[in-house]
Amino acid sequence: GNSVTQMEGPVTLSEEAFLTINCTYTATGYPSLFWYVQYPGEGLQLLLKATKADDKGSNKGFEATYRKETTSFHLEKGSVQVSDSAVYFCALRRGGGSNYKLTFGKGTLLTVNP
Amino acid sequence: DTAVSQTPKYLVTQMGNDKSIKCEQNLGHDTMYWYKQDSKKFLKIMFSYNNKELIINETVPNRFSPKSPDKAHLNLHINSLELGDSAVYFCASSQEGGPSYEQYFGPGTRLTVT
Repeated sequence: GNSVTQMEGPVTLSEEAFLTINCTYTATGYPSLFWYVQYPGEGLQLLLKATKADDKGSNKGFEATYRKETTSFHLEKGSVQVSDSAVYFCALRRGGGSNYKLTFGKGTLLTVNP
Repeated sequence: DTAVSQTPKYLVTQMGNDKSIKCEQNLGHDTMYWYKQDSKKFLKIMFSYNNKELIINETVPNRFSPKSPDKAHLNLHINSLELGDSAVYFCASSQEGGPSYEQYFGPGTRLTVT
């Protein structure tokens, strides 16, 4: 079946540090890949997405590239801010068919200190 | 305007009670979902409805009964609440057939069973 593995947290960084959160997946076919962010006390928001191999999703300074050869979708940001403190979820949705669900990783808590 | 809304935001109740959570989306989407987030932030699909028809029913106890009166609403009724039902429940919606099946999430309902 489909699965998503992301690095265990928590991750604690100082402001302006470089961020990488690793995400690898297992899926049949050609899934779409997503990063969602959950700020404290809020619901999930889509951060970025990629729908085919070699696509790069980007938003708010975050980037992730869909790597089919390594089945990975690592999240990066060159310079984090305190406001980036949140839980980040990698997710996939298998393309096609009637399976409409998202399969999530376990989430990575990021804390950015001033 | 709120895209996906849920009521109530907080729900505290005793074991054995029956309770409902309501969800509404004003995005014109044809598919709605319920997810459960446990205390470790792990997110898991519970149900999915497409055009008011049940598409996904994961291994959820039959004490949980979703109801979709129309495409814009998906309510969750829980009978005989148990301590283990304490969690945050998220509603989401999407438009199937699109290029990435992006899901939009509500703010969540924190259910506490005492």
